[in-house]
Amino acid sequence: AQKITQTQPGMFVQEKEAVTLDCTYDTSDPSYGLFWYKQPSSGEMIFLIYQGSYDQQNATEGRYSLNFQKARKSANLVISASQLGDSAMYFCAMREGNNFNKFYFGSGTKLNVKP
Amino acid sequence: GAVVSQHPSWVICKSGTSVKIECRSLDFQATTMFWYRQFPKQSLMLMATSNEGSKATYEQGVEKDKFLINHASLTLSTLTVTSAHPEDSSFYICSARERRGTGELFFGEGSRLTVL
Repeated sequence: AQKITQTQPGMFVQEKEAVTLDCTYDTSDPSYGLFWYKQPSSGEMIFLIYQGSYDQQNATEGRYSLNFQKARKSANLVISASQLGDSAMYFCAMREGNNFNKFYFGSGTKLNVKP
Repeated sequence: GAVVSQHPSWVICKSGTSVKIECRSLDFQATTMFWYRQFPKQSLMLMATSNEGSKATYEQGVEKDKFLINHASLTLSTLTVTSAHPEDSSFYICSARERRGTGELFFGEGSRLTVL
């Protein structure tokens, strides 16, 4: 089974609007971490936001927030007030358990912000 | 956040030659680094885990003799693509993990290899 599933290969959003990128995960370990990374066309992977499995509140970092629904095993990324520079690939990832040497990546979502 | 530097960013080589890619953690010690390969419009595929002072752990299906990994110090891991062929052309990314904090991975800028 897929550890991380991103069901949206591509998304369009109008500039200044909010957009939600979906991510579901699969693990039986009670301890895990969820991450979102942004990959622009230049290729580098940029860390955006982190949510721990024991965190009570949803993580927020500026315009990024993570909608963490533990029972549904979902960790959707919400980008508010989209900007043209947000156009990129976005990857959801999970660190399972305390095994820091294993990260699982989703297949990614290509976000296009329209002016 | 922590900084990981990867070099070179771009490399073009002839078929049959070897290419070395370096991955450095600039402001922290990384006992473990990871090497990924990414095909166009696809996710990252973990190739191997590089452990300082010991042999790398390769993922299933990755040729050890083709992709040589050396982690000689706490801040440097190298990936050498030996006897490169056109099918080795790809985007290679390294990452490193800080022991402190959330355990997030910090990535290098990536290296785009083109084998003619």
